[in-house]
Amino acid sequence: DQQVKQNSPSLSVQEGRISILNCDYTNSMFDYFLWYKKYPAEGPTFLISISSIKDKNEDGRFTVFLNKSAKHLSLHIVPSQPGDSAVYFCAASETSGTYKYIFGTGTRLKVLA
Amino acid sequence: NAGVTQTPKFRILKIGQSMTLQCTQDMNHNYMYWYRQDPGMGLKLIYYSVGAGITDKGEVPNGYNVSRSTTEDFPLRLELAAPSQTSVYFCASSYGQLITEAFFGQGTRLTVV
Repeated sequence: DQQVKQNSPSLSVQEGRISILNCDYTNSMFDYFLWYKKYPAEGPTFLISISSIKDKNEDGRFTVFLNKSAKHLSLHIVPSQPGDSAVYFCAASETSGTYKYIFGTGTRLKVLA
Repeated sequence: NAGVTQTPKFRILKIGQSMTLQCTQDMNHNYMYWYRQDPGMGLKLIYYSVGAGITDKGEVPNGYNVSRSTTEDFPLRLELAAPSQTSVYFCASSYGQLITEAFFGQGTRLTVV
């Protein structure tokens, strides 16, 4: 069973516009959520996170929104840049448990110049 | 500061051979993880460790073994390689006990033929 789901395998956006990447989860015990960015032939790199006590966290062009009742989070990138083209993974963790991170299947973002 | 280092970067194994994927981190992190990434399947947790001498199974542990004799090292052992183990393997570490992100190595691309 896939506890963390990213239902859009790919997304194309024009440079300067907003990119919205979505993620759903099923385990109500998850209380910490992260987004990672991955370029080909590299390891994932941390982008932004959010704790379940918040509904929004912002870092520069990146904002993560959390809707706990819907078990849904989203990553907004504004404005999108060609260098943002990568695969984005969302991940979830139970901080009261064992701190293992469960990942989604990823969304490939392509920002068109 | 090296972070998380994985060796080798690439390896081709024949069916039935064994090998150890090495992972070391220099951040004094308590938690370490092994993930595999198959195309379109995201990152699946194989094993994780919450400290030296303690390991536990993740989502897809079959066919693998791990050990954690020191804080720094977390090797992953494949005893009888099978084609289904062809994948990209990522090691990661995190501080744990606080809300923090995991840091990933560059990955090992393994092909079993």
